[in-house]
Amino acid sequence: QKEVEQDPGPLSVPEGAIVSLNCTYSNSAFQYFMWYRQYSRKGPELLMYTYSSGNKEDGRFTAQVDKSSKYISLFIRDSQPSDSATYLCAMSAFGNEKLTFGTGTRLTIIP
Amino acid sequence: NAGVTQTPKFQVLKTGQSMTLQCAQDMNHNSMYWYRQDPGMGLRLIYYSASEGTTDKGEVPNGYNVSRLNKREFSLRLESAAPSQTSVYFCASSEVAVGAILETQYFGPGTRLLVL
Repeated sequence: QKEVEQDPGPLSVPEGAIVSLNCTYSNSAFQYFMWYRQYSRKGPELLMYTYSSGNKEDGRFTAQVDKSSKYISLFIRDSQPSDSATYLCAMSAFGNEKLTFGTGTRLTIIP
Repeated sequence: NAGVTQTPKFQVLKTGQSMTLQCAQDMNHNSMYWYRQDPGMGLRLIYYSASEGTTDKGEVPNGYNVSRLNKREFSLRLESAAPSQTSVYFCASSEVAVGAILETQYFGPGTRLLVL
């Protein structure tokens, strides 16, 4: 069993819809949770991160962490065609160590 | 400020050939990483270097060697390429920004490698 599980999709939604992307994990030591966005034929870039449980909001993006369920989510409100990308979750136990990545979910926003 | 650069962008090798993937960063970061990305497998760490002069194995190091030439450069070498090494290779470097609690990794654009 992988330490981090992520539905690979693909996921297609109409423009303006709310998108929900999720990851589950098995390592209870994970405390730092990140979402990376990767456009086609580009390297991943950090979108946002959270520490421990709770929510974090940044514009149209909200990251949620439920450590009791070992479940994290990324919500995108008012989705735009420019949000079409692969979204990877990543986790670590400490803030300065190597990351464990999910497989990524490919998202397409249909105009 | 170019960030993380990788060369070449694309390479075709025959089984048994060798090659070196180059990576350089101009952000004065201490830590550097090499990943491979395969469909359905996500990003897997091959090797990393926490500082100049040190290297450590990641999740999938077999068939690869690395050199941390100086603080800027971190190269990945395939001594005898195999079709199983067909992948997209990403280099990254990281830092803890002032006021942040997390070491953020910055990725290069990737090298697409095809081994026939």
